[in-house]
Amino acid sequence: AQSVAQPEDQVNVAEGNPLTVKCTYSVSGNPYLFWYVQYPNRGLQFLLKYITGDNLVKGSYGFEAEFNKSQTSFHLKKPSALVSDSALYFCAVRDIGGSNYQLIWGAGTKLIIKP
Amino acid sequence: KAGVTQTPRYLIKTRGQQVTLSCSPISGHRSVSWYQQTPGQGLQFLFEYFSETQRNKGNFPGRFSGRQFSNSRSEMNVSTLELGDSALYLCASSQDSGGHNEQFFGPGTRLTVL
Repeated sequence: AQSVAQPEDQVNVAEGNPLTVKCTYSVSGNPYLFWYVQYPNRGLQFLLKYITGDNLVKGSYGFEAEFNKSQTSFHLKKPSALVSDSALYFCAVRDIGGSNYQLIWGAGTKLIIKP
Repeated sequence: KAGVTQTPRYLIKTRGQQVTLSCSPISGHRSVSWYQQTPGQGLQFLFEYFSETQRNKGNFPGRFSGRQFSNSRSEMNVSTLELGDSALYLCASSQDSGGHNEQFFGPGTRLTVL
């Protein structure tokens, strides 16, 4: 069965330090992978996606993610965190080879950047 | 382009009542998905519509239903409301040509069931 895991409920990082928000997935076929962000009292916003091609994907606000097929991971990264990056981050996967075409969402990771 | 709009933004209902939420997707988008977001359960998929057809459905009881109109606008209905239905209901639209398109979310409808 398809699934997405975000193993950390919360990640704390000091401003200026690099950040990583983890995501692993399980699908029967090839995945389409997405990261979304939800700022406090604002809607969900698309950050970046991996469909095919280069494993390193760059997205909005300086974020990037690396698709690792052998480890079935798609971790979100940023070289230098800003306080304004504090938000709730969701990883999602669509199994394009499976019978269920639905987009599967992780539980979310709360990112807190401390000044 | 205007973003995804949802109406109403806030609703207060009592147990046993029914409610209808509305979503207008971005112009040109034919796929609309609905989600329930609660603090404890995260983002739960309700259903997805494409060209007026329900393409996928999540694990929610039959009290939750939806439809999509020819102009891609969508509605979801919850009948016989329960306290546990209190949540933020999010609508998302996408162009949907193969599932690789990202979704654009509306601000949500905050439903409170008393």
